[in-house]
Amino acid sequence: DTGVSQDPRHKITKRGQNVTFRCDPISEHNRLYWYRQTLGQGPEFLTYFQNEAQLEKSRLLSDRFSAERPKGSFSTLEIQRTEQGDSAMYLCASSLTDNEKLFFGSGTQLSVL
Amino acid sequence: AQKVTQAQTEISVVEKEDVTLDCVYETRDTTYYLFWYKQPPSGELVFLIRRNSFDEQNEISGRYSWNFQKSTSSFNFTITASQVVDSAVYFCALSEPYLGGATNKLIFGTGTLLAVQP
Repeated sequence: DTGVSQDPRHKITKRGQNVTFRCDPISEHNRLYWYRQTLGQGPEFLTYFQNEAQLEKSRLLSDRFSAERPKGSFSTLEIQRTEQGDSAMYLCASSLTDNEKLFFGSGTQLSVL
Repeated sequence: AQKVTQAQTEISVVEKEDVTLDCVYETRDTTYYLFWYKQPPSGELVFLIRRNSFDEQNEISGRYSWNFQKSTSSFNFTITASQVVDSAVYFCALSEPYLGGATNKLIFGTGTLLAVQP
């Protein structure tokens, strides 16, 4: 069990650029979640995959955001035309079944200048 | 709508003191799950406990204990004999209900920053 890994740990970008984050869940976990956390707040749900199927997306996820999980393994979260309001910690989590504990990665801290 | 309130933004205690972190939740569902997570300075959220809505028994794990009371919609967390390593942000969370497709979508509170001074 190597845990959930996220890459990169930090990303600084200029407004208008596109960014992509990667998440590798625990290998046997078929549920994968993306959350966003801003300073002083708790994580907010963004989207959820069961295997390769994206089953739910939050209203927080604008059209500039897209997530994929090809082959039900790693996942990517892409933000197009970044805005300063996108600056946050993007957290990935995985679980084996529903309503079980989530295992979180260390997150990707995005700063949009 | 589901909501989790952690009214205590920051708590500072001296080592060996007991401390209780409050969590109040709102939900219309009869079946739900409650969680506590710890977020140390390193940033990675660490699972502490999960409790389903049908199990109101209090739980103790070492220096940690949880008091779940449905009558007051509270799920409070107590650390006994606190230690410096307990310093972290603690989040209470509520799972959203089953919506025809099982999810583990959590609604988090805003967290309580616990600082344990030596």
